[in-house]
Amino acid sequence: NAGVTQTPKFRVLKTGQSMTLLCAQDMNHEYMYWYRQDPGMGLRLIHYSVGEGTTAKGEVPDGYNVSRLKKQNFLLGLESAAPSQTSVYFCASRAGGYNQPQHFGDGTRLSIL
Amino acid sequence: AQKITQTQPGMFVQEKEAVTLDCTYDTSDQSYGLFWYKQPSSGEMIFLIYQGSYDEQNATEGRYSLNFQKARKSANLVISASQLGDSAMYFCAMSSGGYQKVTFGTGTKLQVIP
Repeated sequence: NAGVTQTPKFRVLKTGQSMTLLCAQDMNHEYMYWYRQDPGMGLRLIHYSVGEGTTAKGEVPDGYNVSRLKKQNFLLGLESAAPSQTSVYFCASRAGGYNQPQHFGDGTRLSIL
Repeated sequence: AQKITQTQPGMFVQEKEAVTLDCTYDTSDQSYGLFWYKQPSSGEMIFLIYQGSYDEQNATEGRYSLNFQKARKSANLVISASQLGDSAMYFCAMSSGGYQKVTFGTGTKLQVIP
């Protein structure tokens, strides 16, 4: 079972470059999430989606855009990368219902120089 | 707005002893869910236990139990008989709101001492 797959696993960017992180899940989950994890700050929600074609802002959405054109994929875009966006990015998916836990990908370590 | 607070950045526990990791939450929703996740040094996120806002009994999963005090808005994780493999970061999280937003706390780093 693949579960949640994030691509790429590592990436180094220069300030001002753009890139897209891909998250794919094969569990037919409705909800998908993007988080960033920084030391001492836990996981902070960037954007999330409650279904195909829908997205919503989380706690720290500035500088990021997302799209969910297909139910199984959730893309996170950085239009003009900044050093403050250096972080580990996690994608998660879950089925509907308050009692459903999230399933996480292995994370993407992104460094912006 | 919903918020999760974990006030213990780090904790130590002796092997085979029990330990309690604190979590308080804030939400205006009546329906919500509380979760605990474990993140070992390898980085993956592992689901441990769930408690629903309407559950009358505290959740248990093996050596993990959740001490749920609704009036105090607390959902503390209790790990019994600690093992060296329990050394990890532990995160408390809450799902609430119509769009099922899930918010995390800042985490507690637990170190088990032989």
